[in-house]
Amino acid sequence: EAGVTQSPTHLIKTRGQQATLRCSPISGHTSVYWYQQALGLGLQFLLWYDEGEERNRGNFPPRFSGRQFPNYSSELNVNALELEDSALYLCASSLAYSGDTQYFGPGTRLTVL
Amino acid sequence: QKEVEQDPGPLSVPEGAIVSLNCTYSNSAFQYFMWYRQYSRKGPELLMYTYSSGNKEDGRFTAQVDKSSKYISLFIRDSQPSDSATYLCAMTRGFQKLVFGTGTRLLVSP
Repeated sequence: EAGVTQSPTHLIKTRGQQATLRCSPISGHTSVYWYQQALGLGLQFLLWYDEGEERNRGNFPPRFSGRQFPNYSSELNVNALELEDSALYLCASSLAYSGDTQYFGPGTRLTVL
Repeated sequence: QKEVEQDPGPLSVPEGAIVSLNCTYSNSAFQYFMWYRQYSRKGPELLMYTYSSGNKEDGRFTAQVDKSSKYISLFIRDSQPSDSATYLCAMTRGFQKLVFGTGTRLLVSP
């Protein structure tokens, strides 16, 4: 069974640009979570989507946004990129409302120059 | 104060040693506790999942939760060089986001 997949693997942008990151959950999982892992800061919760709706968001500015598509895949958009947005962005999926067991993808490494 | 505290290490041990990794937390509402292993430049991999207090064993790994002390542990027996990775504890109230520790880097030398 395929795990969580993310694309692209690496993304290089300049300050002020927009970045779009994509995630496909494990088949049968309807919940998708996004986390940011910046150097030395650990994983910080960004967003949670379930059944196409945003269920919760972490302590991040509104320029971090996303959506979930009818096939449960998800997209994370980061607008007006800042240097401190450079991080590994991880997507996780779980069965509906079973957020205690989340399975992670390999991540997208975003570098902002 | 962070909700979850974890010593960043690195923790260096010889092959075959018993490794003890720990986290403390402040939110008594947490009920579900997890340990993830993360190799360099990879996503976290779920190792152990425990609900409420008690012990859970899976092969060389044992997870322990003490809710009265707000303390969780992961023990690795007969450690191997392939166990060298960063170990992240995570917890949740249920149906909520995971709250992670910052991770402990483990180095097992041959």
